[in-house]
Amino acid sequence: DQQVKQNSPSLSVQEGRISILNCDYTNSMFDYFLWYKKYPAEGPTFLISISSIKDKNEDGRFTVFLNKSAKHLSLHIVPSQPGDSAVYFCAANLLSGNTPLVFGKGTRLSVIA
Amino acid sequence: DAGITQSPRHKVTETGTPVTLRCHQTENHRYMYWYRQDPGHGLRLIHYSYGVKDTDKGEVSDGYSVSRSKTEDFLLTLESATSSQTSVYFCAISEFLRGTEAFFGQGTRLTVV
Repeated sequence: DQQVKQNSPSLSVQEGRISILNCDYTNSMFDYFLWYKKYPAEGPTFLISISSIKDKNEDGRFTVFLNKSAKHLSLHIVPSQPGDSAVYFCAANLLSGNTPLVFGKGTRLSVIA
Repeated sequence: DAGITQSPRHKVTETGTPVTLRCHQTENHRYMYWYRQDPGHGLRLIHYSYGVKDTDKGEVSDGYSVSRSKTEDFLLTLESATSSQTSVYFCAISEFLRGTEAFFGQGTRLTVV
């Protein structure tokens, strides 16, 4: 049973517009969430994280929003740039217990110039 | 970049042969992981280690074994390679199991023919 779901396999956005990537989770015990970006032929790289005590975290053009009641988080990229074209993975973690990061299937973002 | 080196970067092997992939870190992180990435499946955990000689299974551990005899090295062995194990394999490291990001290596592309 998939615990972290990214239901959109792909997304296309015009350069300069907002990109919104979504992620849902089923395990209410998850309380730390991360986004990774992956370019072809490279390993995933950490982008931004948020813990459950917050509902928003910003880092430059990237903002992650967390809605605990809906078990939903989203990554906003504003403005989108062609270099943002990559696969984005959502991941979740428990702040207690012995569970490593659990990843979603990823969303491929294409930013069109 | 976190000091993680995976070797080999590419390998083609025949069905039924044993294969060992190596992950080497220079960060002295306690936790090391092996993930595989497949289209439509995202990143799935194979095995992870929480210390020298301490390992545990992930969600797709069948057909794989691991060993960690030194802090810096984590080996993944396919005991008898099958075509279903054709994949891209990523090693990752983290300082803590929870509440922190993991850093990934560049990946090993394995093809089983």
